[in-house]
Amino acid sequence: DAGITQSPRHKVTETGTPVTLRCHQTENHRYMYWYRQDPGHGLRLIHYSYGVKDTDKGEVSDGYSVSRSKTEDFLLTLESATSSQTSVYFCAISERLAGVNIQYFGAGTRLSVL
Amino acid sequence: GQQVMQIPQYQHVQEGEDFTTYCNSSTTLSNIQWYKQRPGGHPVFLIQLVKSGEVKKQKRLTFQFGEAKKNSSLHITATQTTDVGTYFCAGTNTGTASKLTFGTGTRLQVTL
Repeated sequence: DAGITQSPRHKVTETGTPVTLRCHQTENHRYMYWYRQDPGHGLRLIHYSYGVKDTDKGEVSDGYSVSRSKTEDFLLTLESATSSQTSVYFCAISERLAGVNIQYFGAGTRLSVL
Repeated sequence: GQQVMQIPQYQHVQEGEDFTTYCNSSTTLSNIQWYKQRPGGHPVFLIQLVKSGEVKKQKRLTFQFGEAKKNSSLHITATQTTDVGTYFCAGTNTGTASKLTFGTGTRLQVTL
């Protein structure tokens, strides 16, 4: 969908280790987003980007950093993973169609921090 | 910050029964969108509502936006097993059209 690829799809890591998740898009969309999904919380925005090197925090940004050095890639880094960061992470892009800003999501990355 | 709550969190219905999920925002919204996520899948856009009191239909699905633009609902008539999934509302505020605040979601289970 919308040419979005997330990698890896699954990862198990240990507390205290750094982790980087990658989102790659092929259609030159300006806006990209990282969400986490947890039961009872829905989707919560971690960080988003509105262009190369232009990023901003979402509602749950603590413990996460992002980088966007080129249009097609948006990286999410957990500097020192904690068990509370065990979650499913979704990347999304925004595309404007018929006056509506629609978000298209990648397939998700399931991260377990032990 | 803005909060968007949905009720119920979970509903189990028999095929053919109706289903409604309600979405309530702590702030007035510029517009509201609805997404559906199938089990094991990713959210997929369904519709956007913009005007106060707006009602839109997609086959058996009816979407409403409240008069005060702080709440919304999704009603499914005569559910089918293909309706199984989690339904999310997501709102934007004026000046932040690029950011969505998602609701907590309602998981729908439909059995024969």
